[in-house]
Amino acid sequence: GAGVSQSPSNKVTEKGKDVELRCDPISGHTALYWYRQSLGQGLEFLIYFQGNSAPDKSGLPSDRFSAERTGGSVSTLTIQRTQQEDSAVYLCASSLGEIEAFFGQGTRLTVV
Amino acid sequence: GQQVMQIPQYQHVQEGEDFTTYCNSSTTLSNIQWYKQRPGGHPVFLIQLVKSGEVKKQKRLTFQFGEAKKNSSLHITATQTTDVGTYFCAQDSWGKLQFGAGTQVVVTP
Repeated sequence: GAGVSQSPSNKVTEKGKDVELRCDPISGHTALYWYRQSLGQGLEFLIYFQGNSAPDKSGLPSDRFSAERTGGSVSTLTIQRTQQEDSAVYLCASSLGEIEAFFGQGTRLTVV
Repeated sequence: GQQVMQIPQYQHVQEGEDFTTYCNSSTTLSNIQWYKQRPGGHPVFLIQLVKSGEVKKQKRLTFQFGEAKKNSSLHITATQTTDVGTYFCAQDSWGKLQFGAGTQVVVTP
């Protein structure tokens, strides 16, 4: 596709359930980022993938959060045993590295 | 990790007025990027500044990178209702993008 695609666009889940959020970056982009944005707040860095290098996981808030990037393309962010404080918009972005990042529309996660 | 600080957090502007938002760092930045996020939307790239003292203009928007590469500013002239949104600066640390908290701009007609 022409842009970064995220799915689902909206996800409502029950507390304690696991969720998977998907990101399809722009083809050829080596860098991929995940951010979390709570209502009216800024962009909280979660994880960064660059090519074949080990990902920078320094922003993951707890061990319930994990992410992988298969074949240097699609990425999945997994949240295990979801809590209400995990409710937020999860944004994925990709870039060629050290230049502009292109964001997807985000996945709005609601934990009830 | 090091972060960029943005001020002000909120900016209420009368339509037609000018305003400036600032981005400050305690350490030297390799470059700085600016993004705009409209209400309900996702961040969209505006510009990247790389050189010390660099100034770039996009219509009514003027971006500046400080001489010491520790601060940056975005100045908007003759504000319009289309300028509503949150403006973020982001520091690029070896490809990893870390965003400031943003300046939320509200425009009063």
